[in-house]
Amino acid sequence: QSVLTQPPSASGTPGQRVTISCSGSSSNIGSNYVYWYQQLPGTAPKLLIYRSNQRPSGVPDRFSGSKSGTSASLAISGLRSEDEADYYCAAWDDSLSGVVFGGGTKLTVL
Amino acid sequence: EVQLLESGGGLVQPGGSLRLSCAASGFTFSSYAMSWVRQAPGKGLEWVSAITGSGGSTYYAASVKGRFTISRDNSKNTLYLQMNSLRAEDTAVYYCASEYEGEVAGYFDYWGQGTLVTVSS
Repeated sequence: QSVLTQPPSASGTPGQRVTISCSGSSSNIGSNYVYWYQQLPGTAPKLLIYRSNQRPSGVPDRFSGSKSGTSASLAISGLRSEDEADYYCAAWDDSLSGVVFGGGTKLTVL
Repeated sequence: EVQLLESGGGLVQPGGSLRLSCAASGFTFSSYAMSWVRQAPGKGLEWVSAITGSGGSTYYAASVKGRFTISRDNSKNTLYLQMNSLRAEDTAVYYCASEYEGEVAGYFDYWGQGTLVTVSS
């Protein structure tokens, strides 16, 4: 069981908006930034969102992050076929003194 | 251009040892914290261990504490993971990842391509 909880799967059609949730606790999301990673099949993860809602240069503005209390969300608007990937949330956990990941969400573009 | 190149993976018997290396280039290695993150076949990401830029602080996941040791040689721009008492459940692709800053936060802006460790008899 992962410390951060994500839905195992999500799906949408091209052009739609989908959101992926990430639920944690006061020791991780509740008191630290959240990071989102995209992992395309057979490749290393790539940073998608940092400090809960910031996009690195080169990441399309179709991707956005938010945080409220002990939960965070990744939203993808204008869904495209190339967005089909696994998405992971991560945060520092003060109680564990380590980084914790969500179990990952497999996004399917129908 | 930032590059992280892992090496040292392979097949090892249960109870055995292996040392992974991650050669870094393209940035001031000593200024940034580094982590090892693993991914078992068909599974999600699992953070394993981290070390601050100076090497003064280290952190471990409960699943590897006491068996794995993270270290770095800033003169060689290289990160290491010494893995002892290996178990079947340690089988995974091991990625090294650099933090955006000197402290550990989970803010991994660069990743290596990964090296596969297989623990099996």
